[in-house]
Amino acid sequence: GAVVSQHPSRVICKSGTSVKIECRSLDFQATTMFWYRQFPKQSLMLMATSNEGSKATYEQGVEKDKFLINHASLTLSTLTVTSAHPEDSSFYICSASESVGGEQYFGPGTRLTVT
Amino acid sequence: AQRVTQPEKLLSVFKGAPVELKCNYSYSGSPELFWYVQYSRQRLQLLLRHISRESIKGFTADLNKGETSFHLKKPFAQEEDSAMYYCALSPASGNTPLVFGKGTRLSVIA
Repeated sequence: GAVVSQHPSRVICKSGTSVKIECRSLDFQATTMFWYRQFPKQSLMLMATSNEGSKATYEQGVEKDKFLINHASLTLSTLTVTSAHPEDSSFYICSASESVGGEQYFGPGTRLTVT
Repeated sequence: AQRVTQPEKLLSVFKGAPVELKCNYSYSGSPELFWYVQYSRQRLQLLLRHISRESIKGFTADLNKGETSFHLKKPFAQEEDSAMYYCALSPASGNTPLVFGKGTRLSVIA
């Protein structure tokens, strides 16, 4: 089956620094990738939709200057949390969708802790 | 607006008992409905989707447009079914984002 990887699996950073999270589709080409955020014991909240070669579409309330998304190739999307603050600490999950079929395949998630 | 409601945060059942995880949705068109499952320390994975009308791991879900529901059912729960279950809605097939419910944690007691 289709596999999506995320790197790193967990990261701890200091307040004010930036962190980059990678999402890769390993055995298929993903024209669209989605970034979600999950707080403890809560559901997934869609942050943005990322289409290869174009700007990401952010959900209402998500700061695009803070959460920079780049989808430079059909197998890689990155999320950069800029000037991270403790309230950005969360579990970030990406998913990828092939152009045909519609099923989204999820990555294992990245736990970000900002101290 | 699209919305998915899972009224139960936690559902505990005994092994061998029937299970029903409730899901209601709000959408004016004809959505695609999904159930995703997340086992302990594993990634979210698709369990089933309404358009395929199949049974996976003994689970079934029927889309009831009149009641706008997509409840997940299994006649006899197993311990390995213990997991977090999310109902999700997509306005259309293809590369559209999913709207997730808040999830229901199923605990199957031996």
